Amino acid sequence: DQQVKQNSPSLSVQEGRISILNCDYTNSMFDYFLWYKKYPAEGPTFLISISSIKDKNEDGRFTVFLNKSAKHLSLHIVPSQPGDSAVYFCAASTSSARQLTFGSGTQLTVLP
Amino acid sequence: KAGVTQTPRYLIKTRGQQVTLSCSPISGHRSVSWYQQTPGQGLQFLFEYFSETQRNKGNFPGRFSGRQFSNSRSEMNVSTLELGDSALYLCASRQGSGGANVLTFGAGSRLTVL
Repeated sequence: DQQVKQNSPSLSVQEGRISILNCDYTNSMFDYFLWYKKYPAEGPTFLISISSIKDKNEDGRFTVFLNKSAKHLSLHIVPSQPGDSAVYFCAASTSSARQLTFGSGTQLTVLP
Repeated sequence: KAGVTQTPRYLIKTRGQQVTLSCSPISGHRSVSWYQQTPGQGLQFLFEYFSETQRNKGNFPGRFSGRQFSNSRSEMNVSTLELGDSALYLCASRQGSGGANVLTFGAGSRLTVL
C-alpha cells in the first residue's frame, strides 16, 4: 500500500516555462512534507518542505502547495531551467515518526 | 563540513553471498537511516538508528540488518543475496530523531547481484 504516490513517472517542459510536479498521499496523519531532487550518481538532496499548518511555501523559483482536504501537494518550478532536469521525490512524515515515506519519483526533463 | 559518506560506491556480488555497506554521517548527526532505491519503487525505508539503537524498521526480510557504532557510523548487512536485492542503497543522517528533521543523503552504494 503506497501511502505517497507520484502518478507521473516523467514530465517534459520547455525551458522558461512552469514545471508542475504532483504528489498524492493517503495517510491523514502526515503533517510534514518534503521534496527532494536527485541527479544520476548522486544522493537525493533536500529542496523544499511544508508543514501542514501552511498551504504554501516559497523558496526562489520553487513553490510547494499543500491541499490537505484533497491530500495533494504540488511543486512548481518557475522558470524551469535545463539544470532542473532530475528525478523529484516527494516525501511525507508525521511529527512523531522517525522515517520519511517517499513517492516513486518523477523524472523532469527541461528542454532547452 | 563533510557530507554523508558511503562505501563502497559500487559492488558486484553473486547470489547467496553476503554484503556489508558502510555509512559515515555528518559530524554531529546521531540518526542514520537506510533506504533502498529500485526503479519504479522510489525509496523504500529499511531502518533507522539513533544512539546505537534501532528505532524503526521497514518491511524487509530478516536478511537485511544493520548496526550503529558509538561514533554514529553505521553499517548495513544483507545476507544470502538474491537477484532482487540489486539496488541503490542510500544512507541518510540527521541531527535529531523527530520526523521534521531534514535528511541529508549520501551518494549511495550501487549493489549488483548476479
